[in-house]
Amino acid sequence: AQKITQTQPGMFVQEKEAVTLDCTYDTSDQSYGLFWYKQPSSGEMIFLIYQGSYDEQNATEGRYSLNFQKARKSANLVISASQLGDSAMYFCAMREGILNTGFQKLVFGTGTRLLVSP
Amino acid sequence: SAVISQKPSRDICQRGTSLTIQCQVDSQVTMMFWYRQQPGQSLTLIATANQGSEATYESGFVIDKFPISRPNLTFSTLTVSNMSPEDSSIYLCSVRAPSGRIPYNEQFFGPGTRLTVL
Repeated sequence: AQKITQTQPGMFVQEKEAVTLDCTYDTSDQSYGLFWYKQPSSGEMIFLIYQGSYDEQNATEGRYSLNFQKARKSANLVISASQLGDSAMYFCAMREGILNTGFQKLVFGTGTRLLVSP
Repeated sequence: SAVISQKPSRDICQRGTSLTIQCQVDSQVTMMFWYRQQPGQSLTLIATANQGSEATYESGFVIDKFPISRPNLTFSTLTVSNMSPEDSSIYLCSVRAPSGRIPYNEQFFGPGTRLTVL
C-alpha cells in the first residue's frame, strides 16, 4: 500500500492567491514525522516544513503552513500569497518511528507540480 | 540547517564506466543517506551510511553496484558502477541535522548530482 499519497499531479494558482497541496499518509506508528519539500527545475530538494505526530500545533514557516489532521491522516501544505518563484514540484514525505533511531528512511509521495501564473 | 555540497553537480558518462559522487556536510552527522530520483519519478532511498560501519542498503540496491564510503562524520561518497542508461538519475545526499527549533528531526538534501549515461 502507498505510504504517502499525493492525488494532485498538477495544480495552477494565480499569483498572490493561496493554494493547498494535498497529502495523505498511511502508518501504524504512533510517532512519525511529515515533511514537505520543494524541487525547482534545478533538481535540488528544498526543505520547507516539518510536522511531528506529537506536535499539538500545526507547523508554520513563513508563507508555508501545514494543515495537520491526524485522525484523517492528512498533512496538506498551504502556501499563502503565491509567488512566481513558487512554481516547482512539491513532495510530501514521511519518516516513521522517529523515536526509534533504527527507522530513518523518508518515504516520498509522487509529487505535485505547482504552476503560479501572473 | 545543514549546508551540504555535492560533486560533481552533473556528468555525462559512457555505458560501462563508473562515477563517484562526493557529499560534504558542514557539520558532523551520524547518518548520511543516498537517494536516487529517476526521471519524472519520486525519490527512493539507496542506502544509509554510518561512519565506521558498512552502509545499509535498501531492497533492490546492492553494494557491488553502489559502493559507499563514509570515512568521517562530514563526508561520504557514492559510486555508481558499471553504468547503464537506466542509471540516469539525480543522486542526492541527505542528512538529519540539528536546526534551531527541532534538533535532529528535520532532514536536508544536497543540491544533487544529475547523471546521464549514454
